[in-house]
Amino acid sequence: DADVTQTPRNRITKTGKRIMLECSQTKGHDRMYWYRQDPGLGLRLIYYSFDVKDINKGEISDGYSVSRQAQAKFSLSLESAIPNQTALYFCATSDMTSGGADRTYNEQFFGPGTRLTVL
Amino acid sequence: AQSVTQLDSQVPVFEEAPVELRCNYSSSVSVYLFWYVQYPNQGLQLLLKYLSGSTLVKGINGFEAEFNKSQTSFHLRKPSVHISDTAEYFCAVRGPLNYGGSQGNLIFGKGTKLSVKP
Repeated sequence: DADVTQTPRNRITKTGKRIMLECSQTKGHDRMYWYRQDPGLGLRLIYYSFDVKDINKGEISDGYSVSRQAQAKFSLSLESAIPNQTALYFCATSDMTSGGADRTYNEQFFGPGTRLTVL
Repeated sequence: AQSVTQLDSQVPVFEEAPVELRCNYSSSVSVYLFWYVQYPNQGLQLLLKYLSGSTLVKGINGFEAEFNKSQTSFHLRKPSVHISDTAEYFCAVRGPLNYGGSQGNLIFGKGTKLSVKP
């Protein structure tokens, strides 16, 4: 079974609709992230969460909201979808960097992505 | 703040030829550098990383990268590519924790699509 799962994998919706994308992980990681990928723009960070009570805005949070329901679940909502939110959305997880050793890096593990089309 | 520039958006190459995917970064502090690969219809997976130590880093699938501080580069190389290497490759940089509010998050380049032809 995949360690990081995303549902749905594909979604077509209309302008103005509310959409929720869900992410679940079985890796036991504390940190979770939501990115969007657009052709030619790479990945841009939308929101990230270091634990259930710690949620932070990323580079492009406008028009999005998130909820960390549990350590293993992090969902992304589009309150009123618009066409320029058409993109591929990825969830990722990683461990907390521990012990104050800044050189400790914990790899980010990505889900398979959700392709969202807003008409 | 850190930034990453991937100099080529697309790189076509024939099978068994060598390849270099270029990545330059900008930062006023020490950085950690990464290459991720995205195969068609999949998420990203880590190819290799540079945190410290030897500037030549070896990763999975025969790829390697060299950290060059003076040229602020972290180019990815493979001496002989296979059809299965066809994918999009992303260079990413991470600054120190709690520097500039980054929280140690990754900054990704725009990606390079490697197309390996028979």
